[in-house]
Amino acid sequence: DTGVSQNPRHKITKRGQNVTFRCDPISEHNRLYWYRQTLGQGPEFLTYFQNEAQLEKSRLLSDRFSAERPKGSFSTLEIQRTEQGDSAMYLCATQERAEDTQYFGPGTRLTVL
Amino acid sequence: KNEVEQSPQNLTAQEGEFITINCSYSVGISALHWLQQHPGGGIVSLFMLSSGKKKHGRLIATINIQEKHSSLHITASHPRDSAVYICAVRFNGGATNKLIFGTGTLLAVQP
Repeated sequence: DTGVSQNPRHKITKRGQNVTFRCDPISEHNRLYWYRQTLGQGPEFLTYFQNEAQLEKSRLLSDRFSAERPKGSFSTLEIQRTEQGDSAMYLCATQERAEDTQYFGPGTRLTVL
Repeated sequence: KNEVEQSPQNLTAQEGEFITINCSYSVGISALHWLQQHPGGGIVSLFMLSSGKKKHGRLIATINIQEKHSSLHITASHPRDSAVYICAVRFNGGATNKLIFGTGTLLAVQP
């Protein structure tokens, strides 16, 4: 257990539904990252928060995806109108300082039917 | 071409063998990470390197900045070392500290 928690751990949804995932960071970590990992691949960067500010978004993050970190603590990632191609593991990682390692949560595995 | 490449993609070893996993990257970096991922998804950071060599137990990580290459070594391998090992880099000049990942090396250590 790294101290980073993610909920739910698994989500099965039908195509076209909206889903929301939550990440709770280690309390003193002000940097938060979302990554997506598909089967057999390494994770890919989606978006980055420093405190409550979303400072970078990947072009992988289409307009169906939105992420928030309203009080600089927990973060949510919402996917609207899910597609089968959204099926993946969604990973959250947090970091205290720029030069530190990143601590990963257990991930949320999304399956879109 | 991926910016971070790992080899081999798959590796099967017998218990006790010395294992080497390699990682090459294309441009200047500020740090390189070696990560371990077990079935079910959880990722654990093993090492973060910007130069030289680090050792933790049976694991050794080295990096050659000039050659843009890093290796992860496992001595006296054990079946519990079976996992996916992922190399990830933080490139110089990025506005954030996002990591760019290799595709991973699936290691199976047989008893």
